[in-house]
Amino acid sequence: SQQGEEDPQALSIQEGENATMNCSYKTSINNLQWYRQNSGRGLVHLILIRSNEREKHSGRLRVTLDTSKKSSSLLITASRAADTASYFCATEGTSGSRLTFGEGTQLTVNP
Amino acid sequence: DTGVSQNPRHKITKRGQNVTFRCDPISEHNRLYWYRQTLGQGPEFLTYFQNEAQLEKSRLLSDRFSAERPKGSFSTLEIQRTEQGDSAMYLCASSLFTTSYEQYFGPGTRLTVT
Repeated sequence: SQQGEEDPQALSIQEGENATMNCSYKTSINNLQWYRQNSGRGLVHLILIRSNEREKHSGRLRVTLDTSKKSSSLLITASRAADTASYFCATEGTSGSRLTFGEGTQLTVNP
Repeated sequence: DTGVSQNPRHKITKRGQNVTFRCDPISEHNRLYWYRQTLGQGPEFLTYFQNEAQLEKSRLLSDRFSAERPKGSFSTLEIQRTEQGDSAMYLCASSLFTTSYEQYFGPGTRLTVT
């Protein structure tokens, strides 16, 4: 069963706007990762944040982690049509290296 | 291309047949993972290997499923007596455990059981 929930399930914005996706999880984690998946394809790793980190940046991506609330958010700034994809958060639990994925947010960026 | 590769990319089979998928990880990666993804859902963990040892199996992995990684390089996932509920995308990923927790995914094998 999926550990996480993502919010919203679908998001449609205009090019240039910012997109924010949220993820909640249930158990203690070593780290939380965000992946992107274009339709019918494999997943691409975007960014990893460790449990002792609160915020991380990579290019146009900003990730926050609140372990007290068991939640994370992914912000994509200045979105582009090429950012259209499904975005998944995945947690690595403290007991091993399996990833537990959320159900994903479908982001559509309209040109 | 030095990424994770999976073969075949698509497989259509009749219920009751056996199928086998292959995954070739990034060459220096010591961990290899299998996930299953159905439409509109996130991937679900099936099993993983460190080198040739299978270290964890999900309860999702029924006795019809078996995975091997005989020499710690490529891996195969076999499904025996396929059922319609096995229709899904089967994803393979690899990682270099000692330096990174990031998993690198292959393009997946889409299985359709008719």
